[in-house]
Amino acid sequence: GIQVEQSPPDLILQEGANSTLRCNFSDSVNNLQWFHQNPWGQLINLFYIPSGTKQNGRLSATTVATERYSLLYISSSQTTDSGVYFCAVGLTNAGGTSYGKLTFGQGTILTVHP
Amino acid sequence: KAGVTQTPRYLIKTRGQQVTLSCSPISGHRSVSWYQQTPGQGLQFLFEYFSETQRNKGNFPGRFSGRQFSNSRSEMNVSTLELGDSALYLCASRSVLGRLRAFFGQGTRLTVV
Repeated sequence: GIQVEQSPPDLILQEGANSTLRCNFSDSVNNLQWFHQNPWGQLINLFYIPSGTKQNGRLSATTVATERYSLLYISSSQTTDSGVYFCAVGLTNAGGTSYGKLTFGQGTILTVHP
Repeated sequence: KAGVTQTPRYLIKTRGQQVTLSCSPISGHRSVSWYQQTPGQGLQFLFEYFSETQRNKGNFPGRFSGRQFSNSRSEMNVSTLELGDSALYLCASRSVLGRLRAFFGQGTRLTVV
């Protein structure tokens, strides 16, 4: 199956700093999503980004599908950005039906200090 | 729109018992997927349902089963519970086939003692 590797595993920042989280995957995918897991365990969908670049406020993401990686940028970090960030990928099956199975990386634990 | 609702939020069961977890997707969403999250294995896909049919299944024993009702609500069942089944169980919904963005509920934290 598809392997997903995220780096760094842990990241500690001061409030206001910028950061880049990386996600490498082992095979072609047409489904890539970034999530933030809050302290209560809920996964919040940040981006659906199988290719290209998207921005949402202080967050942006870029996926280079041909090189099998995606980057999540967090600018001017805030304490509320703390938590675990997951990259998850998937592949439409050969029959063309878009199944939703996601394979998750191990996550990046982000801690932002005031 | 209301988000994905999972019940119960917390559950404590004894080894050997069975448990049923419930997931109500976002209104209009027809696909429901289940994931297990543990500290050791991370997030792992259990199964996905669409139109009351299981469309995909992860690598879990047959003790893990699920179903989907005509209103798209889904349940998953774990029989003969083991200590290793202690985990956060997350449900995700998405709108229709071809729309891949997943929205997760807050999860059910199951503890097996």
